[in-house]
Amino acid sequence: DVKVTQSSRYLVKRTGEKVFLECVQDMDHENMFWYRQDPGLGLRLIYFSYDVKMKEKGDIPEGYSVSREKKERFSLILESASTNQTSMYLCASTTPTGVSYNEQFFGPGTRLTVL
Amino acid sequence: AQTVTQSQPEMSVQEAETVTLSCTYDTSESDYYLFWYKQPPSRQMILVIRQEAYKQQNATENRFSVNFQKAAKSFSLKISDSQLGDAAMYFCAYRSPDLTGNQFYFGTGTSLTVIP
Repeated sequence: DVKVTQSSRYLVKRTGEKVFLECVQDMDHENMFWYRQDPGLGLRLIYFSYDVKMKEKGDIPEGYSVSREKKERFSLILESASTNQTSMYLCASTTPTGVSYNEQFFGPGTRLTVL
Repeated sequence: AQTVTQSQPEMSVQEAETVTLSCTYDTSESDYYLFWYKQPPSRQMILVIRQEAYKQQNATENRFSVNFQKAAKSFSLKISDSQLGDAAMYFCAYRSPDLTGNQFYFGTGTSLTVIP
């Protein structure tokens, strides 16, 4: 089974702290994604990566950065956490278009609270 | 960018009954992929069913089936014989075949309650 894991299920941080959210997948997927999920807004794409060291901004990249040094690992970084970044963060991975099983596989999510 | 619309924020169904969740999308592409995902409370998002746009036949997975109307850009999910475990948030998603983009577009979700 495909497995996508995230470093924490729940995280509480203070305003101004640097926050690292880590995602690891074990299926050798090329593409990885970070989403933010808020009630009534669905999933909004923060960043995605289609290869090691490659990244593309999504719809809401402001206040976030990412790192992909290894194929299986995709990190989301909040440089200086703010209260409006309190949210559920979901990581996902998939193969490129045209490969079978082209749906995204999701991690369990990290509920981040910024105080 | 493509948009995906789920017009029903909340739905409810009696156990053992059938419910249909609606989804529409906007695209100018002719080939694409559509998905329904389920997110149970405090649990991981999982795939329910998927449909390739070039396939005319509606996808079916056990009690879950879709009504794919390509011309109308509609992709509804039908859940038959609803069970308590079907209670969840359901998201409709669109994937572009664009090899460079590889982006998914999600609707805002429908929260399904199953009444015993």
